[in-house]
Amino acid sequence: GAGVSQSPSNKVTEKGKDVELRCDPISGHTALYWYRQSLGQGLEFLIYFQGNSAPDKSGLPSDRFSAERTGGSVSTLTIQRTQQEDSAVYLCASSQSGQLNSPLHFGNGTRLTVT
Amino acid sequence: AQKITQTQPGMFVQEKEAVTLDCTYDTSDPSYGLFWYKQPSSGEMIFLIYQGSYDQQNATEGRYSLNFQKARKSANLVISASQLGDSAMYFCAIVAGANSKLTFGKGITLSVRP
Repeated sequence: GAGVSQSPSNKVTEKGKDVELRCDPISGHTALYWYRQSLGQGLEFLIYFQGNSAPDKSGLPSDRFSAERTGGSVSTLTIQRTQQEDSAVYLCASSQSGQLNSPLHFGNGTRLTVT
Repeated sequence: AQKITQTQPGMFVQEKEAVTLDCTYDTSDPSYGLFWYKQPSSGEMIFLIYQGSYDQQNATEGRYSLNFQKARKSANLVISASQLGDSAMYFCAIVAGANSKLTFGKGITLSVRP
């Protein structure tokens, strides 16, 4: 079946511009995560959606970052007034439920470069 | 709060030998799950193995096994009969309590030598 789909796969933008990154999770998956990964580094948690619950936004690095999940499916991560330090790979992942043993399925990421 | 610690520097192993990748964790929740993921140079994240805090036995999946020592709060990944394709970054992660987020460690780079 279809996996987690992210678009675009690559995005180059100028400093100060806004960008939107899209994530289509696996159908039926109720949990959706956004992570950020800088080159050669670990995964930095950004935000977590679980069903109809209020999202866990504790990882968003600044108020320039926001995310929505419409209809419990597609999610959009928006970065306003991009800065060079925002350059990274943004990974989206989904899982079947909020249960402990549900592994995350990751998309291939969006590589964001801010010039 | 939950935390994963992966402090090993880059690891090297000879092809066909076994290797252990260390992971220690911290959580106050008695109910938690531990995951290992592999990230090759292509960048994709591949789920390898899962261990639940109440599981009586160590998890195994093919050449992967988890040395789960609950009292020491460690969940080390053992890869047997290493292959060149095992060269990758390996991440340990924890989720504690239902509907909680998955928290990753900083990862360990493994290089398999022919």
